Amino acid sequence: DGGITQSPKYLFRKEGQNVTLSCEQNLNHDAMYWYRQDPGQGLRLIYYSQIVNDFQKGDIAEGYSVSREKKESFPLTVTSAQKNPTAFYLCASSTGGGQNTEAFFGQGTRLTVV
Amino acid sequence: AQKVTQAQTEISVVEKEDVTLDCVYETRDTTYYLFWYKQPPSGELVFLIRRNSFDEQNEISGRYSWNFQKSTSSFNFTITASQVVDSAVYFCALSEEDAGGTSYGKLTFGQGTILTVHP
Repeated sequence: DGGITQSPKYLFRKEGQNVTLSCEQNLNHDAMYWYRQDPGQGLRLIYYSQIVNDFQKGDIAEGYSVSREKKESFPLTVTSAQKNPTAFYLCASSTGGGQNTEAFFGQGTRLTVV
Repeated sequence: AQKVTQAQTEISVVEKEDVTLDCVYETRDTTYYLFWYKQPPSGELVFLIRRNSFDEQNEISGRYSWNFQKSTSSFNFTITASQVVDSAVYFCALSEEDAGGTSYGKLTFGQGTILTVHP
């Protein structure tokens, strides 16, 4: 089935560690996105990529890094510089360009700092 | 900068009641797109509707209906005869055209409304 797969579902990180969240899509979408969800604040855009080997900062990029080496994959690294990383992280993809579709979302990764 | 406000943090209704979720947006663009997403307890966001700024027609899909009014910058969502399965968090969101073309995934979200439907 076509869709977006995020892994792991739950992730625990010790303070000072970097962790990488995986996002894979088999929808042949050009554009991919990472959002962070905190209680009562809705979703905020961290990074997005509209094409392979290119990505842009969103509204809250500090303390995060991404790569887009393959069309299907858009991993997010939460670095030790992120002061408050405990949150729910959602990955999304869309066709972008002239043949837009609405964004499809993965099931999320819940990251907890211990 | 764009902004989306969902003033209702939580709504609680009894099954079969009608319920309206409010959404007010701010944007300086003349071309923009509005969305509603549903987030069930499993966590993923489920797309419900997209509306572009040039189309103010109201839309009905089964028990769901949407009222878009540019004059008041509102895009409200009504569930008729609510059911327990409608319990979820509902998000209103906005995307605008940018230099790279419209990107329906680059969204500004409201804070979300938690809807609980009791049997």
